[in-house]
Amino acid sequence: EAEVAQSPRYKITEKSQAVAFWCDPISGHATLYWYRQILGQGPELLVQFQDESVVDDSQLPKDRFSAERLKGVDSTLKIQPAELGDSAMYLCASSIRQGGTYEQYFGPGTRLTVT
Amino acid sequence: GESVGLHLPTLSVQEGDNSIINCAYSNSASDYFIWYKQESGKGPQFIIDIRSNMDKRQGQRVTVLLNKTVKHLSLQIAATQPGDSAVYFCAEGFSGNKLVFGAGTILRVKS
Repeated sequence: EAEVAQSPRYKITEKSQAVAFWCDPISGHATLYWYRQILGQGPELLVQFQDESVVDDSQLPKDRFSAERLKGVDSTLKIQPAELGDSAMYLCASSIRQGGTYEQYFGPGTRLTVT
Repeated sequence: GESVGLHLPTLSVQEGDNSIINCAYSNSASDYFIWYKQESGKGPQFIIDIRSNMDKRQGQRVTVLLNKTVKHLSLQIAATQPGDSAVYFCAEGFSGNKLVFGAGTILRVKS
């Protein structure tokens, strides 16, 4: 069964450093999402792509976060500089419409710890 | 504003019993709802969804009930198994494929 791939699985970085996460969605899925999940809470959408275009980045802290999906396939999320409050799980998901709803398939996530 | 929450943060059930996980939402503009299961160290896994014009939908061992009058959603798991132990999230779906997640309920299955 096809899965969303993410790397790295774990990342420890010092505050003020730059960090990047990579996501490869399920083949054929045009929509890609990046979520942040703080321990004990539900995922929160950071950015949504339709092919290579951003359709929603209203919750993305644009002063330090950036995301791209240049060829409309895989995507990179970057944080620069990282802050202590950025410690969280970063989840990538992709979707294709199924019977009227858009089931989102999630990857395993990248656990970020900022020290 | 958009808000999805859960009544019970932790639910403990005996193996073989039925489980009911509840979710309250505040926004009436949603198009659909989804239940996700998240095991430790993994991403959320789709369980079942329901469109806002439905009040019940059944899957394998799971049933989702939607009461739009009181803005309440529930997930029923029949014959709960140890493998069902996880955190369960309800999510409200809006046009443009946007999901708003609740805070989650921990389900613990006792053998």
